[in-house]
Amino acid sequence: GQNIDQPTEMTATEGAIVQINCTYQTSGFNGLFWYQQHAGEAPTFLSYNVLDGLEEKGRFSSFLSRSKGYSYLLLKELQMKDSASYLCAVRNRGSTLGRLYFGRGTQLTVWP
Amino acid sequence: GAVVSQHPSWVICKSGTSVKIECRSLDFQATTMFWYRQFPKQSLMLMATSNEGSKATYEQGVEKDKFLINHASLTLSTLTVTSAHPEDSSFYICSAQQGWKNIQYFGAGTRLSVL
Repeated sequence: GQNIDQPTEMTATEGAIVQINCTYQTSGFNGLFWYQQHAGEAPTFLSYNVLDGLEEKGRFSSFLSRSKGYSYLLLKELQMKDSASYLCAVRNRGSTLGRLYFGRGTQLTVWP
Repeated sequence: GAVVSQHPSWVICKSGTSVKIECRSLDFQATTMFWYRQFPKQSLMLMATSNEGSKATYEQGVEKDKFLINHASLTLSTLTVTSAHPEDSSFYICSAQQGWKNIQYFGAGTRLSVL
């Protein structure tokens, strides 16, 4: 499998900014994905990075550095509803039909 | 984003019975779908890759005779848990790939409880 590492838990307060890091080790990198998963629900797609740089989408941004095997998800103006698990996933060129390798997820708790 | 429908959302069954879970891509065609299993507070574990018109590719350690996958059309894949036992109780989630970026969109998941 692939070695994908992200923090287990993070906390922040409403209105703040939080950065969730993800590091990975893989051969033939072919994309990095971030998903949000609320408790008891299925993951929802947040972002996709395949080239270096920052992708901004509203309050959420995702950054990728392929040379460092590093990505982060940046959440701005945090809201209570942002409390969820955030999953980092990597795809390889050799992946069977595009399968993803998921990290263990970062449980974010937003306090009022 | 693309919409993936998964049914049922919740099922309780007796030990020894079989349960079928459906995964449909509602507004796009999906040559490839994926089936995952997730235990509480853990990440997604890929069980198998479902390919339209051909046999599914199972991950190591997943019994293909126990978890039957059928992908008979470009919009439907089914997972049948045969002779279910309490240890099969889990949250099962499907996903379908869409677009040139091959982004996976997930169904709502099925919570299976085997008594």
